[in-house]
Amino acid sequence: ETGVTQTPRHLVMGMTNKKSLKCEQHLGHNAMYWYKQSAKKPLELMFVYNFKEQTENNSVPSRFSPECPNSSHLFLHLHTLQPEDSALYLCASSQGGAPTDTQYFGPGTRLTVL
Amino acid sequence: QKEVEQNSGPLSVPEGAIASLNCTYSDRGSQSFFWYRQYSGKSPELIMSIYSNGDKEDGRFTAQLNKASQYVSLLIRDSQPSDSATYLCAASFSGGYNKLIFGAGTRLAVHP
Repeated sequence: ETGVTQTPRHLVMGMTNKKSLKCEQHLGHNAMYWYKQSAKKPLELMFVYNFKEQTENNSVPSRFSPECPNSSHLFLHLHTLQPEDSALYLCASSQGGAPTDTQYFGPGTRLTVL
Repeated sequence: QKEVEQNSGPLSVPEGAIASLNCTYSDRGSQSFFWYRQYSGKSPELIMSIYSNGDKEDGRFTAQLNKASQYVSLLIRDSQPSDSATYLCAASFSGGYNKLIFGAGTRLAVHP
């Protein structure tokens, strides 16, 4: 595996379900990100982790719970989601936190909440 | 609220023409700017990054930055149908570590 991988690629869940999204980066990077992409809207940054520590929580509802056990893995735990949470969830990584550090994206998880 | 603005398009150009994509940003402290290409149903992939005023060329792509006007552009020469995608402009946010602000993207359609 190379680059940034995400599983599952597609997920359909009911509002009462609990599920988790997984992201893994094989680039030796130290920073990882979760973004939400809804139709016709800009990418919304949700969470940022640097060296496993959360450095950004962009006012995300508590029904989204991130976890970063090490610099290579990032999870997004989902529970009691709403239909408006249906979107493409993208994971990204970068070497560090400098403004010039490029963020590389995974393929995304297409989430549908029924 | 820091923002990045892009015309949503679609921008339609004939094959072989130059496509010009534009972006303005509101955060005067932004230092770095990125252009990503996103095909329908796929994730964004980096096309170009630019940090200094002026032009930066990479193959058929040229990024232009004017910090005084808070304006970034991407020129695609000899446009191909395979260039048809949504192009996202992003600016680094001066008030946050690691933070990029994205525009909503411009959809480019290159027709044969």
